[in-house]
Amino acid sequence: DAMVIQNPRYQVTQFGKPVTLSCSQTLNHNVMYWYQQKSSQAPKLLFHYYDKDFNNEADTPDNFQSRRPNTSFCFLDIRSPGLGDAAMYLCATSARFTGVTEAFFGQGTRLTVV
Amino acid sequence: DQQVKQNSPSLSVQEGRISILNCDYTNSMFDYFLWYKKYPAEGPTFLISISSIKDKNEDGRFTVFLNKSAKHLSLHIVPSQPGDSAVYFCAASAGRTGNQFYFGTGTSLTVIP
Repeated sequence: DAMVIQNPRYQVTQFGKPVTLSCSQTLNHNVMYWYQQKSSQAPKLLFHYYDKDFNNEADTPDNFQSRRPNTSFCFLDIRSPGLGDAAMYLCATSARFTGVTEAFFGQGTRLTVV
Repeated sequence: DQQVKQNSPSLSVQEGRISILNCDYTNSMFDYFLWYKKYPAEGPTFLISISSIKDKNEDGRFTVFLNKSAKHLSLHIVPSQPGDSAVYFCAASAGRTGNQFYFGTGTSLTVIP
């Protein structure tokens, strides 16, 4: 089945140790998003790619970076994770302006910082 | 600043009755609205959407109503079933100005058998 796949489902990292979360999609969608969701809060958009164009939200900390080497893959890099970065990280895709108007989500990666 | 708001964190409804989940937004540029359903430890799954050119959209037991003047939308589930128990997120986008989807904080719906 075509889908959005996030790896790993659960990630434990040490305080200050760089960590990378990955997302792949078989939908061939041109837009990919990274959201951060903390308990009982709204998913917060960190950034998105429209094709190769990177779009950062104004309030996304510099500690968060992203790479999209090709259409199928997108990575979230946290350079120096702090305790406040523990959250669920959600990857999503959409195909805006081609008739697909909703975002499709992966199952998320639960990040724990110790 | 939260552009999409869901002011009811939780809702309990008897099986067979109507569930009404509410959502308010502040950005008048939003022109497309979506509802997502989320089970624990899973990503949100798309449920139903509505364009700002409409005021109602139905899909089976799910109906979304949009009141643009009040910047308010609601999701009606009739009849409610125990399997509908989940967190429901309202989301909005401004297609003319970008690709972003902005989410509310969610409403946890419990349908009591």
